[in-house]
Amino acid sequence: QKEVEQNSGPLSVPEGAIASLNCTYSDRGSQSFFWYRQYSGKSPELIMSIYSNGDKEDGRFTAQLNKASQYVSLLIRDSQPSDSATYLCAAHLTNFGNEKLTFGTGTRLTIIP
Amino acid sequence: DGGITQSPKYLFRKEGQNVTLSCEQNLNHDAMYWYRQDPGQGLRLIYYSQIVNDFQKGDIAEGYSVSREKKESFPLTVTSAQKNPTAFYLCASSRNSGTGDQPQHFGDGTRLSIL
Repeated sequence: QKEVEQNSGPLSVPEGAIASLNCTYSDRGSQSFFWYRQYSGKSPELIMSIYSNGDKEDGRFTAQLNKASQYVSLLIRDSQPSDSATYLCAAHLTNFGNEKLTFGTGTRLTIIP
Repeated sequence: DGGITQSPKYLFRKEGQNVTLSCEQNLNHDAMYWYRQDPGQGLRLIYYSQIVNDFQKGDIAEGYSVSREKKESFPLTVTSAQKNPTAFYLCASSRNSGTGDQPQHFGDGTRLSIL
């Protein structure tokens, strides 16, 4: 099992709909999770951090964390063509004992106008 | 403005040549990282450093070397031993909280190709 796993996609969503991106992780002790957006040819940019079970909202973005199920998700409401990008999930896995983050391979999202 | 500066943006390597990628940050971050990204792939950790004068190998360190003589700087050398160096190289930094709750912030990257 990969330590941080995402569906690679591509995921296609109509403009204005909700895009749902999912991520699972292997380390039950993990406490810190991050979502990054990466446009084609560019570097990743941080869009959300989440540390507690439940939902965290920031504008059109909602991160959801369920530690019992070892599951993190990112919802994008009112999807726009500018949301088309690859979304990377990252987790701090406690078994390394340092500041390293482990990244998933990313889900490519396409918003269809 | 605080940030991470990577240079050059594009780099070409000749056969048998070592090349050095620069990464400088003015965010006062203790930890710095180097990743490699191949087309359509995720990020793979090459080296990381949590403090000046100390660094550790990541998952794919063979053929690479680093130094961390200053807090602000973490250069990566791609040696001739790295037989497949063509990739997008990303430098990142983060605060060192001791609990792993700090996000990493990335530079704009360097694209390395073989001539």
